[in-house]
Amino acid sequence: QVQLVESGGGVVQPGRSLRLSCAASGFTFSSYGMHWVRQAPGKGLEWVALILNDGSNKWYADSVKGRFTISRDNSKNTLYLQMNSLRAEDTAVYYCAKRDLTTEFDYWGQGTLVTVSS
Amino acid sequence: DVVLTQSPLSLPVTLGQPASISCRSSHSLVYSDGDTYLSWFQQRPGESPRRLINKVSNRESGVPDRFSGSGSGTDFTLKISRVEAEDVGVYYCMQGTHWPPYTFGQGTKLEI
Repeated sequence: QVQLVESGGGVVQPGRSLRLSCAASGFTFSSYGMHWVRQAPGKGLEWVALILNDGSNKWYADSVKGRFTISRDNSKNTLYLQMNSLRAEDTAVYYCAKRDLTTEFDYWGQGTLVTVSS
Repeated sequence: DVVLTQSPLSLPVTLGQPASISCRSSHSLVYSDGDTYLSWFQQRPGESPRRLINKVSNRESGVPDRFSGSGSGTDFTLKISRVEAEDVGVYYCMQGTHWPPYTFGQGTKLEI
């Protein structure tokens, strides 16, 4: 069965960096695009970034463009989110989610909490 | 960007009674291929979101048939025919027609 396991969250000071990972299993990772989605405490869902199956194309939400970088290592079945210049408003649970062939977010991980605070 | 507006934002229900959530889009969600990329997600307390419905009305495997999706163009509805206790949580609609960005509705909190 499909499993997505995020890691790398924690408490970080404003302006610092953090890298999240999402380990995938139960499907052919290299065949599917992958997303990052976040949820601030007590708030709704916000799409963050998408990367195609081969890493050839990436898209970002305006709120993170220029600060966050999505990447993947298909040999390790792992998705990454490099987050730089972190701000208090980036505090959220970050989920990785799988893209299906024609639809989005068919499977989600359990999430990892990022807290940006001095 | 496409804005999705859900109503109501809070939905008190009685066990065994029906429930309905509306999702209205600022733009038509019909894509050039003829499909409409509107999905519904359930997020139970303390859990990750789970997709219930894709392309307006396609129920995911394992989702009880008391859940149904309908609509077209800019107006969509998620219906629960008879609410059960396990249905408590927040429901989100999401559009994948006009991206980036992918956008979600504000969420509707269903409570018994």
